[in-house]
Amino acid sequence: IAGITQAPTSQILAAGRRMTLRCTQDMRHNAMYWYRQDLGLGLRLIHYSNTAGTTGKGEVPDGYSVSRANTDDFPLTLASAVPSQTSVYFCASSLGGRYNEQFFGPGTRLTVL
Amino acid sequence: DAKTTQPPSMDCAEGRAANLPCNHSTISGNEYVYWYRQIHSQGPQYIIHGLKNNETNEMASLIITEDRKSSTLILPHATLRDTAVYYCIVRVYNNDMRFGAGTRLTVKP
Repeated sequence: IAGITQAPTSQILAAGRRMTLRCTQDMRHNAMYWYRQDLGLGLRLIHYSNTAGTTGKGEVPDGYSVSRANTDDFPLTLASAVPSQTSVYFCASSLGGRYNEQFFGPGTRLTVL
Repeated sequence: DAKTTQPPSMDCAEGRAANLPCNHSTISGNEYVYWYRQIHSQGPQYIIHGLKNNETNEMASLIITEDRKSSTLILPHATLRDTAVYYCIVRVYNNDMRFGAGTRLTVKP
């Protein structure tokens, strides 16, 4: 593993189903983030974690949950998917602190029908 | 939160300098200006950031006006691979980074 990996690459999901998007980083970064990007728009922050064991809400947290049991992993869960959650999801990490640059994963394309 | 304004699109000839402007008139004293880009459907890529001095790295230069109300990202010799959406971001409190719509730069041969 080098950098940030996300799984799956893409997924088609029936509405009402539960789904967990996985994100793993091997850079020992303290902070991790989840964003969604809808067609033609910029990224919007869903949740973040400044360090293992802590999480916080971003701009659009409703319908999503996260956990940070260890430094490397930051899964994003949709408890009951809805079509409006169709989007591309990007995970990112940074050393932490207000001014560190973020490194992004390749993204997961999720379609909820 | 400081807001940024960027033109929706720009063109640049291959080999020429690309100058991408950004307005951030409400920026506060301790907020940095960041630039990222997103090539096609890939994850965003960090380019450069600065507080008040001009900055340069292997990818680009960042020019911030003295009053800090605007900045310009300069790609000195644009190539076709620089075609991307470029985001100017002012870093807000506690790690939040707000991406706007950005500027779609098209480098033409």
